[in-house]
Amino acid sequence: KQEVTQIPAALSVPEGENLVLNCSFTDSAIYNLQWFRQDPGKGLTSLLLIQSSQREQTSGRLNASLDKSSGRSTLYIAASQPGDSATYLCAVIWGGSEKLVFGKGMKLTVNP
Amino acid sequence: DVKVTQSSRYLVKRTGEKVFLECVQDMDHENMFWYRQDPGLGLRLIYFSYDVKMKEKGDIPEGYSVSREKKERFSLILESASTNQTSMYLCASRKIPGEQYFGPGTRLTVT
Repeated sequence: KQEVTQIPAALSVPEGENLVLNCSFTDSAIYNLQWFRQDPGKGLTSLLLIQSSQREQTSGRLNASLDKSSGRSTLYIAASQPGDSATYLCAVIWGGSEKLVFGKGMKLTVNP
Repeated sequence: DVKVTQSSRYLVKRTGEKVFLECVQDMDHENMFWYRQDPGLGLRLIYFSYDVKMKEKGDIPEGYSVSREKKERFSLILESASTNQTSMYLCASRKIPGEQYFGPGTRLTVT
């Protein structure tokens, strides 16, 4: 079964720390992988999309990497801020499918 | 900027009512999706559509139907609302092979 796992489910850190959020997936034959952010009571905001042929993508303080052979992606957040507090979700599309498979998400709290 | 809009942010309906949730995207995306999100259960796919008048069941289609008469609009229909359909409903769209974009969500309460 194709699954996406995010561990831990929650993380609380002081402001200013550099963070690594983990995502693992079964089956390396992915089409692409996408990271999202969700604030309480809101929809999902797309942060980064990594195609299967890419190793990483960057946007501002965010950097996402992809290692298909080990079934892992990491989202790196530099110099975390209280405004980064949200739930972060990882989602994968495997080849031959139209559907994103989501992890359960990781709730991040950045304390001032 | 891609924009996905949903007709209501909050909705309160009574058991047995027919409920329509509307979703519109403005970027000519082929694929559109309806999810529901519940605490502890994550995002679950209800239905998706890959073209006008085309639809496919997701993981939890029971009690729901959909309609896609125009490319930009995807409707979710609850034929007879029940209390276990109280949830956050999220619409999304995607242009193959790109990013998926979500609307702001509709929090539906069925009493």
